[in-house]
Amino acid sequence: GENVEQHPSTLSVQEGDSAVIKCTYSDSASNYFPWYKQELGKGPQLIIDIRSNVGEKKDQRIAVTLNKTAKHFSLHITETQPEDSAVYFCAASSNTGNQFYFGTGTSLTVIP
Amino acid sequence: EAQVTQNPRYLITVTGKKLTVTCSQNMNHEYMSWYRQDPGLGLRQIYYSMNVEVTDKGDVPEGYKVSRKEKRNFPLILESPSPNQTSLYFCASSFGTGRTYEQYFGPGTRLTVT
Repeated sequence: GENVEQHPSTLSVQEGDSAVIKCTYSDSASNYFPWYKQELGKGPQLIIDIRSNVGEKKDQRIAVTLNKTAKHFSLHITETQPEDSAVYFCAASSNTGNQFYFGTGTSLTVIP
Repeated sequence: EAQVTQNPRYLITVTGKKLTVTCSQNMNHEYMSWYRQDPGLGLRQIYYSMNVEVTDKGDVPEGYKVSRKEKRNFPLILESPSPNQTSLYFCASSFGTGRTYEQYFGPGTRLTVT
């Protein structure tokens, strides 16, 4: 099956700086890559996703890049704010969109 | 309000005592799924369902059962819980493949098996 690795496991940045989280996947058949944000005591919430026919996608301060050849994708958060502090998970899914494989999570702390 | 609800939110039980965690969604979603979240392991998919009466195993199905008799409900059944099933469980739903894959997660059920 698919194996998704995520780094780093913890990340601290100063408010206003950028944060980058990286993930790699093993199955070349995977073609949907969502990113989730999980706040304390809550379920994960989708913040951005990308499909394999796209190399980059941006939504305000959040962007995701995908390199299919190298099988890695990254989350970029610019101008970080304290409310960005949370655990972030990457995931990969096959074309059927039925099975999802998650990374182990990155705990992001934005220091005011 | 569009949401996924889970009950109970917290549960402490003993080894071998059958339990059911309920999951319900009010968005008319076709796809529903169960995950467990453990420290250092992220979320792992237990079972998923593409529609009523259609279920399939995820990555870690051992020790769990599910059923999908109605579109809105997808209960998770532990017939003989063991301590290694102590975990945080999430139910999720989405419209389904071919439309959108965005999954909406419930608030979670923290299960402790002693």
